[in-house]
Amino acid sequence: QVQLVQSGPEVKKPGASVKVSCKASGYSFTRHCISWLRQAPGQGLEWMGWISANNGNSDYAQKFQGRVTMTTDTSTSTAYMELRSLTSDDTAVYYCARGLYNSGSYPLDYWAQGSLVIVSS
Amino acid sequence: EIVLTQSPATLSLSPGERATLSCRASQSVSSYLAWYQQKPGQAPRLLIYDTSNRATGIPARFSGSGSGTDFTLTISSLEPEDFAVYYCQQRSNWPPYSFGQGTKLESK
Repeated sequence: QVQLVQSGPEVKKPGASVKVSCKASGYSFTRHCISWLRQAPGQGLEWMGWISANNGNSDYAQKFQGRVTMTTDTSTSTAYMELRSLTSDDTAVYYCARGLYNSGSYPLDYWAQGSLVIVSS
Repeated sequence: EIVLTQSPATLSLSPGERATLSCRASQSVSSYLAWYQQKPGQAPRLLIYDTSNRATGIPARFSGSGSGTDFTLTISSLEPEDFAVYYCQQRSNWPPYSFGQGTKLESK
């Protein structure tokens, strides 16, 4: 069965970077893209971007351009999201999700459990 | 920029009742509208995509309708496990993948 499993919680200081991993199993990794989203405490869902596991093409939300990098490692079927220059506003649960198709973030048919990132001095 | 507005913010119903959730887009999104369910402490789950297509494993009591700017998620007869927050998502040119603010479906 399709599974996405993310890395554990992180506590970071303002200005630091965080890198979250998302390991996929149960399907052909390169046939679908991986999207990243986040959800601040008590808030809704915010789209961050997506990356093709097939060719590395990516698209980032304008809000995060220059501060986020999404990558994939096809040898381990793992996707990564690195966010830099963290502030307290980046405190959130970060999700990776599989795109139903091989590009884009719509729709997202399987989601990982989420990774809590806390930014605090 | 396309904004998705969900209503009501909170819907209080009892098991067995029919639930109707609305999602309105500020511009046409054609039929590219999806619905997700999120329970506390869990990741969202895809219910419906392209307005009316049920995702794999989603019960038939969930249905979607609409087009252009007005969309509806209907749960024909609420089960206890259906009480959750529901989000709509659109696909368009800009911004490409935004979400509504959510509707909380709570048990009366």
